[in-house]
Amino acid sequence: TQLLEQSPQFLSIQEGENLTVYCNSSSVFSSLQWYRQEPGEGPVLLVTVVTGGEVKKLKRLTFQFGDARKDSSLHITAAQPGDTGLYLCAGVRTNAGKSTFGDGTTLTVKP
Amino acid sequence: EPEVTQTPSHQVTQMGQEVILRCVPISNHLYFYWYRQILGQKVEFLVSFYNNEISEKSEIFDDQFSVERPDGSNFTLKIRSTKLEDSAMYFCASRRLAGRTYNEQFFGPGTRLTVL
Repeated sequence: TQLLEQSPQFLSIQEGENLTVYCNSSSVFSSLQWYRQEPGEGPVLLVTVVTGGEVKKLKRLTFQFGDARKDSSLHITAAQPGDTGLYLCAGVRTNAGKSTFGDGTTLTVKP
Repeated sequence: EPEVTQTPSHQVTQMGQEVILRCVPISNHLYFYWYRQILGQKVEFLVSFYNNEISEKSEIFDDQFSVERPDGSNFTLKIRSTKLEDSAMYFCASRRLAGRTYNEQFFGPGTRLTVL
């Protein structure tokens, strides 16, 4: 069983603070995706990381794939209330294979 | 920008009834998937479909479930005899093809299935 563990499960911070969400597994993934999901909607892709050690930036969001391709992190700088939402990581073992999702991190950014 | 679409957005049915959830994947995509998300739980894989056949399925995808690509655009999930525990959001996803550049899945907005 390929498990992806996300931490923390819930995070509540003040506007302007920085935060990091972690996604860990004992399995190696060929790629890992980060999604954001709003209530009642489908996951929206934020980024895909493929290469071990890869770092990708999306404005104030920085995504990193672990060297061994078993873990990833999402760092948000100067969080804003608009960042509030559910963040999901999902790993793929083969390029056309299923996605295995983590439990998600619910982020609340208070103004 | 192309997107995955799903209909209906919300389906209410009686226990034991058959339901068909419909999806239109992105037009040049070749791999299709169904996932479900029970309220408050993680997104779970149900089945993947390629070249007109199931390529992988989970333990959830038992004999009550089936998938079909009846024409060149639609991808359907059928539940033959719904149970209360089938109530969930069902997400369709598609992927263009294998290979490093195109290995993202794109998800539809989901169908909320409520079984009474």
